[in-house]
Amino acid sequence: NAGVTQTPKFRILKIGQSMTLQCTQDMNHNYMYWYRQDPGMGLKLIYYSVGAGITDKGEVPNGYNVSRSTTEDFPLRLELAAPSQTSVYFCASSNTGTGTNEQFFGPGTRLTVL
Amino acid sequence: AQKVTQAQTEISVVEKEDVTLDCVYETRDTTYYLFWYKQPPSGELVFLIRRNSFDEQNEISGRYSWNFQKSTSSFNFTITASQVVDSAVYFCALKRYSTLTFGKGTMLLVSP
Repeated sequence: NAGVTQTPKFRILKIGQSMTLQCTQDMNHNYMYWYRQDPGMGLKLIYYSVGAGITDKGEVPNGYNVSRSTTEDFPLRLELAAPSQTSVYFCASSNTGTGTNEQFFGPGTRLTVL
Repeated sequence: AQKVTQAQTEISVVEKEDVTLDCVYETRDTTYYLFWYKQPPSGELVFLIRRNSFDEQNEISGRYSWNFQKSTSSFNFTITASQVVDSAVYFCALKRYSTLTFGKGTMLLVSP
């Protein structure tokens, strides 16, 4: 199993550009998550999904959009990139949402907006 | 609201020293779950341990041990005889329903 994969690993955007961060998991997990990690900070939840077709906002959803058309994929869309979105983005998945099931994380995407 | 506080921003130790990373949490829930993750310099997040609010037993795994105390809302992590490979950022996290709230992390630097 590859686990959780993310592409690209690095990306530089200009202000106002848009892009999609890809996330795929092969563990048949229902729950998927997007986090951002700013320097010296913990991870903050952007959006999450409890299954195909169902998404919900996390703590910092502004400036982002998500969709979940399949169990495997959970792309994160930035429509108008801003310098404040410079961060490392992590995708994660878990088997169930409740209980002690841990979240499995992808390797991250480092995004710089100039 | 949920909150996780890791008051130690950075800790530096010399190899073979013992070190404890503190984690204090706030929640109004009676059922909750606590986690520790490790983030080595390579950047990935590695799951270390989970604990539910009904299980206050301490746990030991090799050189790692965890002390969960509901009375003080703490879930501290101790590394015994630290090694250079333990150098990483360690995150404590609190789970409510399906979402995790992370602390800001503690950077541990272990020098030879």
